[in-house]
Amino acid sequence: ETGVTQTPRHLVMGMTNKKSLKCEQHLGHNAMYWYKQSAKKPLELMFVYSLEERVENNSVPSRFSPECPNSSHLFLHLHTLQPEDSALYLCASSFPGLDEQFFGPGTRLTVL
Amino acid sequence: GESVGLHLPTLSVQEGDNSIINCAYSNSASDYFIWYKQESGKGPQFIIDIRSNMDKRQGQRVTVLLNKTVKHLSLQIAATQPGDSAVYFCAESWDTGRRALTFGSGTRLQVQP
Repeated sequence: ETGVTQTPRHLVMGMTNKKSLKCEQHLGHNAMYWYKQSAKKPLELMFVYSLEERVENNSVPSRFSPECPNSSHLFLHLHTLQPEDSALYLCASSFPGLDEQFFGPGTRLTVL
Repeated sequence: GESVGLHLPTLSVQEGDNSIINCAYSNSASDYFIWYKQESGKGPQFIIDIRSNMDKRQGQRVTVLLNKTVKHLSLQIAATQPGDSAVYFCAESWDTGRRALTFGSGTRLQVQP
């Protein structure tokens, strides 16, 4: 898991909690992504940031709020989640306009 | 809608055999394809990629074949090893003014010793 790190690796939260996921990349990339990986579903793109500007929000519920303060850091703020939001949340990075994305190890989120 | 899908959800092979994992795509505008490997508890890891101007590309023990006529992509792993056991995803990309990957549902490869 070189290059892209994610914290925490595991998170359990109640539906009324507020938590944040963090992603950091050390590859000099300036595009970053959040994906959701559920059982039996393909990887779902949630958000794309290119040059720190959000360029796509794939119809994600507002209880997920991304933040990209600089090209190396990406956050996903969580509030009032539902049990169906339990999944593996993956962060990736790339150079804008190029296809290969490098993934972090993910945060395993469980919503009780 | 456009989609990427995998033919076999689980593939079981004997150690030392060759493995072939298949993927169908439906977007004729796709011009870039990539294979990822995901081991348990880890994020997807790049294996190999190919652009639409090529039919075949080889890496170390892996080969990707692209058949644009039937919109089919395959990943061949030579001399499969226990460490190859993982879920394999194909993904496609096309130019819409920006690039983004659309992933298939994955195939689990199980290598029997």
